[in-house]
Amino acid sequence: SYELTQPLSVSVSPGQTASITCSGDKLGDKYACWYQQKPGQSPVLVIYQDNERPSGIPERFSGSNSGNTATLTISGTQAMDEADYYCQAWDSGTGVFGGGTKLTVL
Amino acid sequence: QVQLVQSGAEVKKPGSSVKVSCKASGGTFSSYSISWVRQAPGQGLEWMGRIIPILGIGNYAQKFQGRVTITADKSTSTAHMELSSLRFEDTAVYYCAREVVVAARQGNYYFDYWGQGSLVTVSS
Repeated sequence: SYELTQPLSVSVSPGQTASITCSGDKLGDKYACWYQQKPGQSPVLVIYQDNERPSGIPERFSGSNSGNTATLTISGTQAMDEADYYCQAWDSGTGVFGGGTKLTVL
Repeated sequence: QVQLVQSGAEVKKPGSSVKVSCKASGGTFSSYSISWVRQAPGQGLEWMGRIIPILGIGNYAQKFQGRVTITADKSTSTAHMELSSLRFEDTAVYYCAREVVVAARQGNYYFDYWGQGSLVTVSS
């Protein structure tokens, strides 16, 4: 079955750029989404179709996807961005999530 | 304003079944697929399957084949997920999520709205 691999944790200082990667076989041939989840809350879509932002998501969130890696980039990271982030893609009609990355802003 | 409102928490015994509901409002129910995603305590998200209400067709993750049934009632704009033969490791928060299709053939879908989650605890 298809697998997506994310780092367990990423740390960033306020105002700096955070990058979270998501690796999967030929992931660049698929479309990647990213979801943010804060403790006790439902996930929220932050990036879809590799690099599109839903309305209401700040411009500091961006995405890319090429080769075997999709990347979520948060520019000018704020304390409110501290959360778990999950990449997600579809493989043969089946949804697949990465294991999640805990972003710490310190 | 689209909302997905799920049924409440359940406590079930091993070997039994649970049925979780997800009532949609504020949108055209039949126009979107509904997926179910679960999250065990302290763990990540896991896709279980989906239903296409207008067709009444579901497809499921291989892991759950034979144990999960996802249905949709267009008259009440409600999707249901039933999981049978419950095990302790099925203890999790179960979410429904509305699926937007950008390009089906290219596998370009995303979840734009999520329910609040329903905690299912499997305990003897």
